[in-house]
Amino acid sequence: GAGVSQSPSNKVTEKGKDVELRCDPISGHTALYWYRQSLGQGLEFLIYFQGNSAPDKSGLPSDRFSAERTGGSVSTLTIQRTQQEDSAVYLCASSLGSGNQPQHFGDGTRLSIL
Amino acid sequence: SQKIEQNSEALNIQEGKTATLTCNYTNYSPAYLQWYRQDPGRGPVFLLLIRENEKEKRKERLKVTFDTTLKQSLFHITASQPADSATYLCALDIMGFNKFYFGSGTKLNVKP
Repeated sequence: GAGVSQSPSNKVTEKGKDVELRCDPISGHTALYWYRQSLGQGLEFLIYFQGNSAPDKSGLPSDRFSAERTGGSVSTLTIQRTQQEDSAVYLCASSLGSGNQPQHFGDGTRLSIL
Repeated sequence: SQKIEQNSEALNIQEGKTATLTCNYTNYSPAYLQWYRQDPGRGPVFLLLIRENEKEKRKERLKVTFDTTLKQSLFHITASQPADSATYLCALDIMGFNKFYFGSGTKLNVKP
């Protein structure tokens, strides 16, 4: 079956604009994660969805960042009023939902803020 | 807060040798520790998982060890090949809360 799909693969936008990033997880995976990776850095946890539970939003860097997961499947990460420091690769991963399960990553959205 | 350290300097080794990568952490011991491989422009790919009560795990040419006293995991690739060249990331799930902290990764270069 298909892996995790993210779109767009690249996004260039002007400072102050809003952007939406999409993630299609693997079918049947109950857990979904968003991470941010700056150049040469590790992955920074942003938000975690598990089934119908309230998401863990503790990694979101500011209230300009929000995410939704509709119907337990597709997720959208929204960044409002983008800033240059938001430039990074945004990675989505899904898993079967517990710490002993591997995460399956998409290839990310490379976001560039001009 | 949890801190995870991986050697930021690239590791350069000759084909056929064993590569050893290190992941050190502070504070809480993780319930699970995972290793991933990341190629340029791609998302990480899962390699191995080790639990806090396991000392060693193997998969083909890969071996992971976990020392909760030293707060360290070692990742070994035996009989390394140029195709093993990539960045390797460790990830910790603290107390089984399914929230992962990643290290910044170590770049491995295997020369033919």
